Amino acid sequence: EAGVVQSPRYKIIEKKQPVAFWCNPISGHNTLYWYLQNLGQGPELLIRYENEEAVDDSQLPKDRFSAERLKGVDSTLKIQPAELGDSAVYLCASSKTSGGVSGTDTQYFGPGTRLTVL
Amino acid sequence: SQKIEQNSEALNIQEGKTATLTCNYTNYSPAYLQWYRQDPGRGPVFLLLIRENEKEKRKERLKVTFDTTLKQSLFHITASQPADSATYLCALVGGFKTIFGAGTRLFVKA
Repeated sequence: EAGVVQSPRYKIIEKKQPVAFWCNPISGHNTLYWYLQNLGQGPELLIRYENEEAVDDSQLPKDRFSAERLKGVDSTLKIQPAELGDSAVYLCASSKTSGGVSGTDTQYFGPGTRLTVL
Repeated sequence: SQKIEQNSEALNIQEGKTATLTCNYTNYSPAYLQWYRQDPGRGPVFLLLIRENEKEKRKERLKVTFDTTLKQSLFHITASQPADSATYLCALVGGFKTIFGAGTRLFVKA
């Protein structure tokens, strides 16, 4: 079974430029997460999708970040314009949420996209 | 605010010994606690999950304990091997949210 796929793996841009990250979750996984991970820190949730609906985007800086999950499968995270402080690893994860209690499902992470903003 | 604390300093142990990592939390009542392993340049990989009504969970050389009174989880790797060297993250799960700790770096020397 293929894991979570992310692209690109690395991205270097200048500040104020736009950037986009793509994620393909594990087949059949209805829940998709985008996390931000700074060096030496744990992942911090940016947005969580249940199918195509964003059910938790409270931590997403909506002035510059946007995300979409077309047809409840692939997802794209965009930053426009990028700032120096956005340099980090952006992780995508997916899980197969079972009925009833949420949050008990194992999350499968992709390798991440390392963004460097110059 | 919710806070998770893991040993910020790296843990260095000799091969064959038991590694014990600590996860403490405050201002939170998780329904579950998870432990993940993360290698450099890779995403976290799920290892174990323990529920609030469970005291201990085992999987091969791994053991996790969960004390909701102390608000603490201990993660043990017995008969450690150099291949166990990685960063280990604890994650608190509850109320549709997962909150990760910063992780503890483990080095196992041959």
